[in-house]
Amino acid sequence: EVQLVESGGGLVQPGGSLRLSCAASGFTFSSYWMHWVRQAPGKGLVWVSRINSDGSSTSYADSVKGRFTISRDNAKNTLYLQMNSLRAEDTAVYYCARKGMGKDAHQFDYWGQGTLVTVSS
Amino acid sequence: QSALTQPASVSGSPGQSITISCTGTSSDVGGYNYVSWYQQHPGKAPKLMIYDVSKRPSGVSNRFSGSKSGNTASLTISGLQAEDEADYYCCSYAGSSTWVFGGGTKLTVL
Repeated sequence: EVQLVESGGGLVQPGGSLRLSCAASGFTFSSYWMHWVRQAPGKGLVWVSRINSDGSSTSYADSVKGRFTISRDNAKNTLYLQMNSLRAEDTAVYYCARKGMGKDAHQFDYWGQGTLVTVSS
Repeated sequence: QSALTQPASVSGSPGQSITISCTGTSSDVGGYNYVSWYQQHPGKAPKLMIYDVSKRPSGVSNRFSGSKSGNTASLTISGLQAEDEADYYCCSYAGSSTWVFGGGTKLTVL
């Protein structure tokens, strides 16, 4: 059974940093691209970042570019999101999601339960 | 990276059909056949319902169907059931390894 379990969320002051983790199991983690998607309280889903299967290529939404860094450790089956220079508008539930298999797959077929990040003084 | 446009809410009675639209541009919805739809119940993670415009993952009811015309994609749910009440989000590949979601549509089953 595919499982994605996020952790690392919490309360952080504006300008602070936080690192989120997503532990994967039930599939060959090193074969899949992975994504982070966030959802502000009461708002819609927003794509944040993606990383390819071996970690050599990444991309980001303009809103987080230069502040967030996605990475992965395939030996530990874990995805990360390093968030720096956090702003109030980064407050959201952060989901990790698996991209479907294959270069022509662009859907997110499995999602974690999310971890809440609150940026406030 | 502007969000795709969805109606804020739609409603229907049990047994009826409803359609949710998702309008983008030629740079996202209109440029690729990579539109997907997600169902989200309150407090839960999103669930994939449709991908590649009209394909259904294994286990998703055939009451759910998708289509696209130009820059607008649509999700149709036929034979509405109470458990279909949820938020629905469209998503499109937008090129250069970026993706964009719609603002979401709240479906109410009357």
